[in-house]
Amino acid sequence: EIVLTQSPATLSLSPGESATLSCRASQSISNYLAWYQLKPGQTPRLLIYDASNRASGIPARFSGSGSGADFTLTINSLQPEDFAVYYCQQRDNWPPTFGPGTKVDF
Amino acid sequence: EVQLEQSGAEVKKPGESLKISCKASGYKFTSYWIGWVRQMPGRGLEWMGILYPGDSQIRYSPSFQGQVLISADKSTDTAYLRWRSLKASDTAMYYCARRMIRGLFFDYWGQGTLVTVSS
Repeated sequence: EIVLTQSPATLSLSPGESATLSCRASQSISNYLAWYQLKPGQTPRLLIYDASNRASGIPARFSGSGSGADFTLTINSLQPEDFAVYYCQQRDNWPPTFGPGTKVDF
Repeated sequence: EVQLEQSGAEVKKPGESLKISCKASGYKFTSYWIGWVRQMPGRGLEWMGILYPGDSQIRYSPSFQGQVLISADKSTDTAYLRWRSLKASDTAMYYCARRMIRGLFFDYWGQGTLVTVSS
């Protein structure tokens, strides 16, 4: 099973700043990585799939990069609604696995 | 508009059975895999398994094989997650989600069903 490690565990920032979240896989997963946003009481949201493709309706301030084992989610100019927990997920090997999450707060 | 509407919160005792539901709308139910994800209290997300309503194929994550049953009813566009005998460790939020046409990622999610198992 592929293990995903996310860092940092918590990112404390202010609105308007940029956030850089990291996801590292225990082995190469090509570009088969997604990022999700979870907020309490809300439906989870797919942000990025296949490392760098924004999902439908996702603002351009969200971008993903990386390949192999190292991936990054960047959120430019944080908006108040962006404060949430972000999870990465790989689909290269069965079973698909999630990282432990990064909480972005202020 | 794609929507996944899950059944309400449940409080059960250890050893009891339970079936929670996820009703899909806004797309052709039989053309997309649908899956379940667990989030235990204070923990991250865990992929449980997925089902293709078109032909009832099911794939379970090894951690959940034999622990839960995933099913679907094509006549009502509803997916189910069932336990025969609940344990306290099954206490969690359970999400259903639709798999993208291409790739094992979930593009639409339900709002979650909180299951509490306590004596």
